[in-house]
Amino acid sequence: GQSLEQPSEVTAVEGAIVQINCTYQTSGFYGLSWYQQHDGGAPTFLSYNALDGLEETGRFSSFLSRSDSYGYLLLQELQMKDSASYFCAVAGKLTFGGGTRVLVKP
Amino acid sequence: DAGVIQSPRHEVTEMGQEVTLRCKPISGHNSLFWYRQTMMRGLELLIYFNNNVPIDDSGMPEDRFSAKMPNASFSTLKIQPSEPRDSAVYFCASSYGQLETQYFGPGTRLLVL
Repeated sequence: GQSLEQPSEVTAVEGAIVQINCTYQTSGFYGLSWYQQHDGGAPTFLSYNALDGLEETGRFSSFLSRSDSYGYLLLQELQMKDSASYFCAVAGKLTFGGGTRVLVKP
Repeated sequence: DAGVIQSPRHEVTEMGQEVTLRCKPISGHNSLFWYRQTMMRGLELLIYFNNNVPIDDSGMPEDRFSAKMPNASFSTLKIQPSEPRDSAVYFCASSYGQLETQYFGPGTRLLVL
């Protein structure tokens, strides 16, 4: 089967940097995706890593290490609107982690 | 494009009643997914269609749940009979393929009393 582990909650202040780690166990791996979900909303795609290394998209970056079965999402220059849940997911396996709730305080 | 469209957005029903959730995927997408989200179990895949054919329905809880995709632009998820434990948010998502980015609909919030 597949499993993904990520922290349940992270709290930080505006302007700070937050790193959300995700470790996975799966048979067959194509890549790691990240989704954001605001309360009451639907998950929306943030980023995808198929290869090792860092992918940067504005204030958000995502990293993957296939040899370590590990990835992370980096949120920089935190803003209040970044308060949401963030999910890692193994591409192709259609399995999501439990989600990390990020709370940004003023 | 209007994105993935789901209806109804909210549904309140009584135990034992039939519930039908509807989804219109993004035009041109050939993969469609139904998910259920609860606080206890998180986001769970129920069923996945590719080119209108069910590929993986291992997440469908039991025989009370059924899903169909009669054409490329429409899918339904039916619960009959419904039970209080079915209360959840049901999301439909579509993509160009199993490995591609999924686009989620707004969800249907189901409450079974």
